[in-house]
Amino acid sequence: KAGVTQTPRYLIKTRGQQVTLSCSPISGHRSVSWYQQTPGQGLQFLFEYFSETQRNKGNFPGRFSGRQFSNSRSEMNVSTLELGDSALYLCASSHGQVYNEQFFGPGTRLTVL
Amino acid sequence: AQTVTQSQPEMSVQEAETVTLSCTYDTSENNYYLFWYKQPPSRQMILVIRQEAYKQQNATENRFSVNFQKAAKSFSLKISDSQLGDTAMYFCAFIPLTGNQFYFGTGTSLTVIP
Repeated sequence: KAGVTQTPRYLIKTRGQQVTLSCSPISGHRSVSWYQQTPGQGLQFLFEYFSETQRNKGNFPGRFSGRQFSNSRSEMNVSTLELGDSALYLCASSHGQVYNEQFFGPGTRLTVL
Repeated sequence: AQTVTQSQPEMSVQEAETVTLSCTYDTSENNYYLFWYKQPPSRQMILVIRQEAYKQQNATENRFSVNFQKAAKSFSLKISDSQLGDTAMYFCAFIPLTGNQFYFGTGTSLTVIP
């Protein structure tokens, strides 16, 4: 089975722009979670989708949004980028419940200038 | 509120030696899972070991084992016979059975010295 893939792998944007990141889960996995990873902060949960429905959302401003498609692929969007949004964005998929093993993608490294 | 604390930002160990990484968590839940994930430099995060809170027996996976103390809300990871490939950031994580969100600690950067 192919692993979790994320595109693009690297992205450079300027303040005020918006960005869309994509995540393709492992085939058969219907749960996709998104995390923001920054040095010293660890992984901060953004949101989790299951069968196109957002089941849970972390404490991030409304500039961060996401969606999931019928094929379980997921996108996250960040509007009006700020310098503090520079981070590694990870997505993870799991089969069924999230407490089953999560399989992580390689991440998208976003740099905001 | 659920929190996970890893109090050791950095650790090092000599190759072939044993090292223990600490993790404590805070929750009012009774049923949950605990995990240790490993993130090697520039590589994907992978699961090291998982523990179900209702199981008293500590989980083991080859050279990796945990010391789970439910009353103390402690979940440490022991790595025996450390290898160079164990060099990575290690994250402790928690998820309640009633939720769909993982809570991660801030990580411990482990370096295995040849």
